[in-house]
Amino acid sequence: DAKTTQPPSMDCAEGRAANLPCNHSTISGNEYVYWYRQIHSQGPQYIIHGLKNNETNEMASLIITEDRKSSTLILPHATLRDTAVYYCIVRVAYTGNQFYFGTGTSLTVIP
Amino acid sequence: GAGVSQTPSNKVTEKGKYVELRCDPISGHTALYWYRQSLGQGPEFLIYFQGTGAADDSGLPNDRFFAVRPEGSVSTLKIQRTERGDSAVYLCASSLMSGGGYNEQFFGPGTRLTVL
Repeated sequence: DAKTTQPPSMDCAEGRAANLPCNHSTISGNEYVYWYRQIHSQGPQYIIHGLKNNETNEMASLIITEDRKSSTLILPHATLRDTAVYYCIVRVAYTGNQFYFGTGTSLTVIP
Repeated sequence: GAGVSQTPSNKVTEKGKYVELRCDPISGHTALYWYRQSLGQGPEFLIYFQGTGAADDSGLPNDRFFAVRPEGSVSTLKIQRTERGDSAVYLCASSLMSGGGYNEQFFGPGTRLTVL
């Protein structure tokens, strides 16, 4: 599975959009981009995933560049409860479904 | 409904002892995964079950680690002759199916293992 690169930490003001970047320059054509987050002392939680097209759900939006070498997770109106470590993972959908997490981005939402 | 549960939530043991960590997946989920998370790191894959069988155990660090899922539901991760380096949070996750398409993994809260 392709490696990802994320900034180690970011801050965001409460109520503003949080834009979390992820670089996956070696992504293959059949690899999806997944985002999970982990709030302190809890297990990781699924946020969103996509292949080529931009995706949106009730939690976030995922913007994938046309060449698929990078993506951005957008939390449109960050709240204090969004403070967490965010993991960007790329993985082929049809393998054993285990995820290879990196170190993620620690997002702190500031009041 | 009930999510993935793990027991105990905390386990303190001495170097050289044997420990068992239990995972109760979401009812009906056929796929079950174990991960280990050290401080400041992301979760690290250990083993994955599809039903009763271990479909991929490539993440187990050595033969001191073993996991079972005899009836395709509850799983137990077993660690023999524990070492201080085994100290970590052990996470369990389950999903509806595996091997075809994406299925969201639901994680439990983890068991924090401390080896003194």
